[in-house]
Amino acid sequence: EDQVTQSPEALRLQEGESSSLNCSYTVSGLRGLFWYRQDPGKGPEFLFTLYSAGEEKEKERLKATLTKKESFLHITAPKPEDSATYLCAVQGGSQGNLIFGKGTKLSVKP
Amino acid sequence: DVKVTQSSRYLVKRTGEKVFLECVQDMDHENMFWYRQDPGLGLRLIYFSYDVKMKEKGDIPEGYSVSREKKERFSLILESASTNQTSMYLCASSLAGGEGGNTIYFGEGSWLTVV
Repeated sequence: EDQVTQSPEALRLQEGESSSLNCSYTVSGLRGLFWYRQDPGKGPEFLFTLYSAGEEKEKERLKATLTKKESFLHITAPKPEDSATYLCAVQGGSQGNLIFGKGTKLSVKP
Repeated sequence: DVKVTQSSRYLVKRTGEKVFLECVQDMDHENMFWYRQDPGLGLRLIYFSYDVKMKEKGDIPEGYSVSREKKERFSLILESASTNQTSMYLCASSLAGGEGGNTIYFGEGSWLTVV
């Protein structure tokens, strides 16, 4: 059964304190791993897609990496505006739908 | 930019009412999806559609139906709303096929409260 587990559930950082969020997955035939950002009361906003182990993508203070079993979202020198819930999802098999983790709620204090 | 528009952001309905949630996308995407999101449970797939008039059950289809009469529009229907259907509903769309994954884009969500 396809499964996605994110850790930690919640993370509190001071502004400028770098850290990483983890996404472990099991899926038959990975087609893509996706990271989304979700602000309270809004829909998920697309950040990155990773397709194969070893791939990395960057956007501002965020960097996503992928291995055969997990993905990391590295946050460098975070700012309060980076506070949000970060969702990881995998797309596998022949279908186009996503299997989501439960998210990591990030709070960055000034 | 991809635009997925959900017609109602906030709804309050009575138990037993028939509820329609409408979603429109403007990127000519083949695939459309309905998810619900609940605290502690994450996003769960209700139904999806790969083409006009086609529909497939997701993980939690009970109590819901869908309609896709036009490519850009995907409707979620609660035939007889119940309190356990109080939730945030998210519509999404993506391109079809391909070996690589296709990015799924989400709307802003519809908050449904059933009283």
